[in-house]
Amino acid sequence: GAGVSQSPSNKVTEKGKDVELRCDPISGHTALYWYRQSLGQGLEFLIYFQGNSAPDKSGLPSDRFSAERTGGSVSTLTIQRTQQEDSAVYLCASSLAWGRGPGELFFGEGSRLTVL
Amino acid sequence: AQRVTQPEKLLSVFKGAPVELKCNYSYSGSPELFWYVQYSRQRLQLLLRHISRESIKGFTADLNKGETSFHLKKPFAQEEDSAMYYCALSGGYNKLIFGAGTRLAVHP
Repeated sequence: GAGVSQSPSNKVTEKGKDVELRCDPISGHTALYWYRQSLGQGLEFLIYFQGNSAPDKSGLPSDRFSAERTGGSVSTLTIQRTQQEDSAVYLCASSLAWGRGPGELFFGEGSRLTVL
Repeated sequence: AQRVTQPEKLLSVFKGAPVELKCNYSYSGSPELFWYVQYSRQRLQLLLRHISRESIKGFTADLNKGETSFHLKKPFAQEEDSAMYYCALSGGYNKLIFGAGTRLAVHP
């Protein structure tokens, strides 16, 4: 595809349910990032992958959040037992990062999660 | 710890007025700084990075290590500059931390 693709674009769920958010990065991009965008909170770093490895998971808010990346491509962000405070737009980005520095990040349109 | 502070949530100016979007950072090493922009109903995208020392759409930003700042400036604002602007910091490796963002509103 031409850009980073995220699905679903919108997800409404009930408190306590699990959700999975998917990200398809630009082909060939080695680095993949997840951010959370809440009203008034800016972009909160969650996790990033270099290939299939996640060197930095420090941004994951709790152990209910997990992410994986397979084949150096698609990534899924899973939120278990969702809470209302998890409601936000979850953004994925990818880059051709190689060596020091993240390079230019290309963002998806985001997945808007609403927890009732 | 890495931190980016954008003190203004909203900056409102008239067309033709100068613009300065403030960004301060906290990092003990040699940072890489970026400005990203999100126009209405568009994806977040890179505007400029300090290592490029370039002007994009009339915007410039200078890294001031003494003041730990990377303010974004434009001498004459245009209505099409209205958007959300995010300052971002990379402190090595590939992790990128963003500030809370500043909404720029340019009025006719």
